[in-house]
Amino acid sequence: ETGVTQTPRHLVMGMTNKKSLKCEQHLGHNAMYWYKQSAKKPLELMFVYNFKEQTENNSVPSRFSPECPNSSHLFLHLHTLQPEDSALYLCASSRKLADTDTQYFGPGTRLTVL
Amino acid sequence: GQNIDQPTEMTATEGAIVQINCTYQTSGFNGLFWYQQHAGEAPTFLSYNVLDGLEEKGRFSSFLSRSKGYSYLLLKELQMKDSASYLCAPLDSNYQLIWGAGTKLIIKP
Repeated sequence: ETGVTQTPRHLVMGMTNKKSLKCEQHLGHNAMYWYKQSAKKPLELMFVYNFKEQTENNSVPSRFSPECPNSSHLFLHLHTLQPEDSALYLCASSRKLADTDTQYFGPGTRLTVL
Repeated sequence: GQNIDQPTEMTATEGAIVQINCTYQTSGFNGLFWYQQHAGEAPTFLSYNVLDGLEEKGRFSSFLSRSKGYSYLLLKELQMKDSASYLCAPLDSNYQLIWGAGTKLIIKP
C-alpha cells in the first residue's frame, strides 16, 4: 500500500466508448501525475498537476483529458481511443513539484482498447 | 538528448549477488532514483542518490558516479521475491524524472 489508489484496476473498452480513470492519494501531497507504461518501454509522463493546476502536458492527444478537482483526486477521461493506447496507466503523487521528493505510485489501470 | 541505458533482462540465483547497471545522459542532474516494480504492481521507491558513492540500505545498495553518468543497484542475498523489474530514473535540470525501460530480474532457485 503506497497511499495512492486507482480504479478500475482493469478496463476493456471499444474505440467509440467514453470511460474515466480515477486516482486518489491519501498522503497530503500537492503534486499528481499521470504516466503511461507500455511493455518494454520507459514510463511516459503524460500530465502533471500542482495544487490542482495543470503544469505539464507532454504532447498527449486530445482523446486523453485530465481533470484535477482537488489535490487528492485526479481523473483521466478517455474517448475515441485507439488500440495503440492499450497500456498500464499509472498515477503518482509527490509532496512538492520540481523537487527531489519521491513519487509514490498507484497500482495502475490496465487498459485494453479493442 | 536525454537517454537512459540499462540491461533489458538479467538472471541470478537465489542467495547470490547481482549488480544492475544504469548509464544516463540528461540535461542537468538533480539525483537519481531506483524503483522496484513487480509484475502488475506499482513501482515502489528503493533509493535516491545525489552525491557520488555507495549508499547501503539492508540487502540493497545503490552507487552513483556523476562524472561518469553511471549508477548501479546491488542486491545481496537474493530472494525469490526480488524477481521484479528495476527502474533507473535520474532527475534532470527541471526536476523531471527521466525513466529507463527497466531491467527485468529473474531469480532462479
